[in-house]
Amino acid sequence: EAQVTQNPRYLITVTGKKLTVTCSQNMNHEYMSWYRQDPGLGLRQIYYSMNVEVTDKGDVPEGYKVSRKEKRNFPLILESPSPNQTSLYFCASSPTPRNSGNTIYFGEGSWLTVV
Amino acid sequence: AQSVTQLDSHVSVSEGTPVLLRCNYSSSYSPSLFWYVQHPNKGLQLLLKYTSAATLVKGINGFEAEFKKSETSFHLTKPSAHMSDAAEYFCVVSETGRRALTFGSGTRLQVQP
Repeated sequence: EAQVTQNPRYLITVTGKKLTVTCSQNMNHEYMSWYRQDPGLGLRQIYYSMNVEVTDKGDVPEGYKVSRKEKRNFPLILESPSPNQTSLYFCASSPTPRNSGNTIYFGEGSWLTVV
Repeated sequence: AQSVTQLDSHVSVSEGTPVLLRCNYSSSYSPSLFWYVQHPNKGLQLLLKYTSAATLVKGINGFEAEFKKSETSFHLTKPSAHMSDAAEYFCVVSETGRRALTFGSGTRLQVQP
């Protein structure tokens, strides 16, 4: 089954404690990205990756890092989380962004609370 | 630059009555447009997409949307609402080669019995 898998789904952490949210897709997609969802703001892109070893900032990258060492994995790293990073996070993938009609596949989301 | 405006943050309908969720977009190029649905504590599921073929697009669960270039609109409709349609709906625009999708702020659909 085609899917995007995120872990953990729910996490409460403390300010400053490094954490990683993993994302894996089994569709051999080139393009992967991370979004955060906040009330009234829809989804905003944090980082994206066009392919292995190619990553770039989205609209709200501050406080986040990513890596793309393998095609299937795209972890999101919060080096020093702060309360304003409390949010619902989605990982997404698609075959390529060169065709705007490609369907984007989303993971089920990761609820992160930073206290 | 591309942008999306969902005109209603909340819509409430009675079961069995029509649904209309409104979306206007702005795009410098010929865009692709999507509607995604998010049920509580779930990820986003694609309802339908427009990619410059037929302007009336049919999706899953009886939903459809019409692309109107002159009005820059892509409204989502369903003839008869079901309780299971209660969810949040996002209108999304994408341009070829652009790095990101642009999401609307979402419309929460309530379905009353």
